[in-house]
Amino acid sequence: QTVVTQEPSLTVSPGGTVTLTCASSTGAVTSGYYPSWFQQKPGQAPRALIYSISNKHSWTPARFSGSLLGGKAALTLSGVQPEDEAEYYCLLYYGGAQLWVFGGGTKLTVL
Amino acid sequence: QLQLQESGPGLVKPSQTLSLTCTVSGSITSSSYYWGWIRQPPGKGLEWIGSVYYSGSTHYNPSLKSRVTISVDTSKNQFSLKLSSVTAADTAVYYCARLTTMVQGVIIPWFDPWGQGTLVTVSS
Repeated sequence: QTVVTQEPSLTVSPGGTVTLTCASSTGAVTSGYYPSWFQQKPGQAPRALIYSISNKHSWTPARFSGSLLGGKAALTLSGVQPEDEAEYYCLLYYGGAQLWVFGGGTKLTVL
Repeated sequence: QLQLQESGPGLVKPSQTLSLTCTVSGSITSSSYYWGWIRQPPGKGLEWIGSVYYSGSTHYNPSLKSRVTISVDTSKNQFSLKLSSVTAADTAVYYCARLTTMVQGVIIPWFDPWGQGTLVTVSS
């Protein structure tokens, strides 16, 4: 069974920088996994932030950036704002099985 | 602005079939996207259920494949989800969304927009 692993929770101070990571049980995450990132606030549908490693949607604030880091996909928030407190999910594609798998989510607290 | 709206029963009995429809405000065929379903059990994470192209081509999550059917009705700009033999474990918020497209052979995992989601409870 394919598992995508994220940090369960992280805490960051306002104005600070934090990096969330996304690992695959099958090995290093590469561009072929088309890693994407989503933000979900309570009671709302998820919203896409980043696709294909580092591409931003038009509504994605500049403080969000995506990358590959040490065999994982990574989402970095620089200059964190209180409104960034949310659950963040990564998503990977397993082409051999034509399967999309979400990570378990990271609850980001801004404190 | 493209909008998606899920509809269907909020309560389904165990062993029965869950049926949901997603209505797209624009044309489901005007752009080369896969459309699909994602669910989220209460207090838990997201799970991709499956995708459908306007031609009817589908891809399903292997963990659900034996119970899932996703279909499309281009005349109504709708696509639908059927999940058979449901149990309490299928209780979740079900989202429909525009999922992916392909540009010059490269997948673009767009995953936007999403519907607001609909809670389906499996209980007798």
